[in-house]
Amino acid sequence: AQTVTQSQPEMSVQEAETVTLSCTYDTSESNYYLFWYKQPPSRQMILVIRQEAYKQQNATENRFSVNFQKAAKSFSLKISDSQLGDTAMYFCAFMKQGAQKLVFGQGTRLTINP
Amino acid sequence: GAVVSQHPSWVICKSGTSVKIECRSLDFQATTMFWYRQFPKQSLMLMATSNEGSKATYEQGVEKDKFLINHASLTLSTLTVTSAHPEDSSFYICSARDNAAVAFFGQGTRLTVV
Repeated sequence: AQTVTQSQPEMSVQEAETVTLSCTYDTSESNYYLFWYKQPPSRQMILVIRQEAYKQQNATENRFSVNFQKAAKSFSLKISDSQLGDTAMYFCAFMKQGAQKLVFGQGTRLTINP
Repeated sequence: GAVVSQHPSWVICKSGTSVKIECRSLDFQATTMFWYRQFPKQSLMLMATSNEGSKATYEQGVEKDKFLINHASLTLSTLTVTSAHPEDSSFYICSARDNAAVAFFGQGTRLTVV
């Protein structure tokens, strides 16, 4: 069974700083997808970024980028120029290709301070 | 991204009554939808996978007779909490996947059983 581990329960940075959230996963699959979701205080889950395992290039979405290390089974999220609105719970998630279910990590609570 | 609408956002019910939560995919067809439960400061716990036109697949430990799931059309799944008790009070979230294997989430429903 696949597992996803987020080793940082909480993080806090100042506005405009860069922050990196870590995520590691365990799988024997070679084809899969990785995701980062954000859950702000409203509790609406929002997709931040998505990575296909077969792609070597790291995904980026504006201020959000990932460092995908397939051999190390690591999938960290970097937030540049952090903003107050980035304050949220961040969940890393795994889904093997052809599967239906997402496997979530425990989450990292990120606070951006003014 | 695709839009998933969940209703109601919050509901208070008396112990022993039943509550229905709706999940709709507004701009895409979803043959599969998912129902999660989230306890405070924890990750999402998958309860069941809802398949259009067939029976839902429940995760181990989830009571099928208490949490009734119906997926009558390609855009609507419902979760009915039957004979609700205070311990059923929680935050319930639905999600649906589009053709690109990305899961989009509803706004969530906060259920309080008094």
